[in-house]
Amino acid sequence: EVQLVESGGGLVQPGRSMKLSCAASGFTFNNYDMAWVCQAPKKGLEWVATISYDGSSTYYRDSVKGRFTISRDNAKSTLYLQMDSLRSEDTATYYCARLRVMPTYYFDYWGQGVMVTVSS
Amino acid sequence: DIQMTQSPTSLAASVGESVTITCLASEDIYGSLVWYQQKPGKSPQLLIYGATILEDGIPSRFSGSGSDTQYSLKINSLQPEDFASYYCQNGLSTPYTFGAGTKLELK
Repeated sequence: EVQLVESGGGLVQPGRSMKLSCAASGFTFNNYDMAWVCQAPKKGLEWVATISYDGSSTYYRDSVKGRFTISRDNAKSTLYLQMDSLRSEDTATYYCARLRVMPTYYFDYWGQGVMVTVSS
Repeated sequence: DIQMTQSPTSLAASVGESVTITCLASEDIYGSLVWYQQKPGKSPQLLIYGATILEDGIPSRFSGSGSDTQYSLKINSLQPEDFASYYCQNGLSTPYTFGAGTKLELK
């Protein structure tokens, strides 16, 4: 059974940093691209970042470029999101998701989500 | 960026009815359209990808159609567990934009 379990969320002050983790199991982690998707309270879904199966390629939405870094440790089957210079508008539930690339790009498994609140 | 416009924003229906949700892309996405269902307090669940391909384990009362810029999700014979929010997603290119969602409520 595919499982994605996020951790590392909580309350953080504006301008500070936070690192999210996502432990994957039930599939061969290093065969799949992975992603983070967020959802602000009572709002819709927003793609945040994507990393290729081997970590060689990363992609970000414009609003987080230069502030967030997606990475992975295939030996540990773990995905990360380093979030720096956090802003109030980054407040959201962050989901780890497995990204499929054929025949289109879509997220077939999602974690339960972890809440990040940016507030003083 | 490709903009995804969903309609309606909300929809009230009864058990047993059929409903259709539409998604309009700001440019041709060549069938690269994805649908998700999300229940309150839960993570999204994949329903359909490639505009028409039903994910394994999803009931056949769900179906997708469309091409170019216009896509639809149809749910036949609504069941109590279908009352949830539904999102479409651009599956063509980054940024993978989502529609704003359609909340399906019990009438």
